[in-house]
Amino acid sequence: QQPVQSPQAVILREGEDAVINCSSSKALYSVHWYRQKHGEAPVFLMILLKGGEQKGHEKISASFNEKKQQSSLYLTASQLSYSGTYFCGTPSSSNTGKLIFGQGTTLQVKP
Amino acid sequence: KAGVTQTPRYLIKTRGQQVTLSCSPISGHRSVSWYQQTPGQGLQFLFEYFSETQRNKGNFPGRFSGRQFSNSRSEMNVSTLELGDSALYLCASSPRGLYGYTFGSGTRLTVV
Repeated sequence: QQPVQSPQAVILREGEDAVINCSSSKALYSVHWYRQKHGEAPVFLMILLKGGEQKGHEKISASFNEKKQQSSLYLTASQLSYSGTYFCGTPSSSNTGKLIFGQGTTLQVKP
Repeated sequence: KAGVTQTPRYLIKTRGQQVTLSCSPISGHRSVSWYQQTPGQGLQFLFEYFSETQRNKGNFPGRFSGRQFSNSRSEMNVSTLELGDSALYLCASSPRGLYGYTFGSGTRLTVV
């Protein structure tokens, strides 16, 4: 079952913050986050393996709440380069590389 | 180090034909997955190969098949092409399949 992302789209000004949520009706074993720019391949951002785990890279971070079956991606002080479509992906079971992706959240950062 | 290489980048085929797409993963990566991306359906899993064995398969008809060679390179084949098969086909590789995936640039298939 496909995870649900919210919001579907968001428009920001440079320097503003954004949160993208990913939730599932079934157990989440881990959560992957990817960003895809128009006409390019998805790029891996981070993976969260354990409930409660938080990760970050520069001004992009994420959290994983295993009990609530959800993950959130936080973009702080957004830059123009953050524009793109963000996907969360979750394995279909605990030991598989089969990722089920959400429908994506389109983020547009304006000057 | 070299990324994931997919060939060809663009392909135009006629309904009823068959097509083979190729993927060379990052050196050392043994897990290769294929995804179909369309505006309407998003990213949909096709199959995953690990050490020449298909580990997982998505919900696609039998016209879609794949294989992985001993050097981890992978191919996917679509027979009897339909208009609805027009999509971006993405290959992704990972050291073991439970880590983050590196995607190739994809093959844009257009069926006319």
